[in-house]
Amino acid sequence: NAGVTQTPKFQVLKTGQSMTLQCAQDMNHEYMSWYRQDPGMGLRLIHYSVGAGITDQGEVPNGYNVSRSTTEDFPLRLLSAAPSQTSVYFCASSSLKAGGFHEQYFGPGTRLTVT
Amino acid sequence: DQQVKQNSPSLSVQEGRISILNCDYTNSMFDYFLWYKKYPAEGPTFLISISSIKDKNEDGRFTVFLNKSAKHLSLHIVPSQPGDSAVYFCAASARTGGFKTIFGAGTRLFVKA
Repeated sequence: NAGVTQTPKFQVLKTGQSMTLQCAQDMNHEYMSWYRQDPGMGLRLIHYSVGAGITDQGEVPNGYNVSRSTTEDFPLRLLSAAPSQTSVYFCASSSLKAGGFHEQYFGPGTRLTVT
Repeated sequence: DQQVKQNSPSLSVQEGRISILNCDYTNSMFDYFLWYKKYPAEGPTFLISISSIKDKNEDGRFTVFLNKSAKHLSLHIVPSQPGDSAVYFCAASARTGGFKTIFGAGTRLFVKA
């Protein structure tokens, strides 16, 4: 199993550009999420999903879109990049078997710089 | 408004001694709590968790204590080892919130040899 994979590892964007951060998991997990990590702020939840076709907003959703068309994939779209979106982005997944929440498995992260 | 707070940005401990990392939360709907460990340039990895129906969970050198009335949890590492040096994140989840999981800001632990 590859676990949770994220592409790209690094990305530099100019202000106003759009891009999609890719995330995939091969563990058949129902739950997937996106976080951003900034110094002194910890991990902040952007969007999450409890299954294909279902997404919801986290703590800091503005400027980001997500969709969940399959169980495996959960891409994060930056509509018009801003310098404030410079951060490290982590995707994670978790099982919701037996109606419960379990630990999340994180990808290696994408380091994004917006100039 | 931070729902999960880790008020100590860093902690330094001598090898072999106990490390105690603290976490406070404000949302009484949280019913599952987790600790993650993160090394530089890697994603966080799960360490230990506790359900709100328990007040203690132990896994080897790691023990998590939950005080629901105080909305406080702590992670104890005994004995601390240099390889434990990392950033530790506290996280909380609520079943009624669709399992939305909120993280604290993290505590950087330094274990000195």
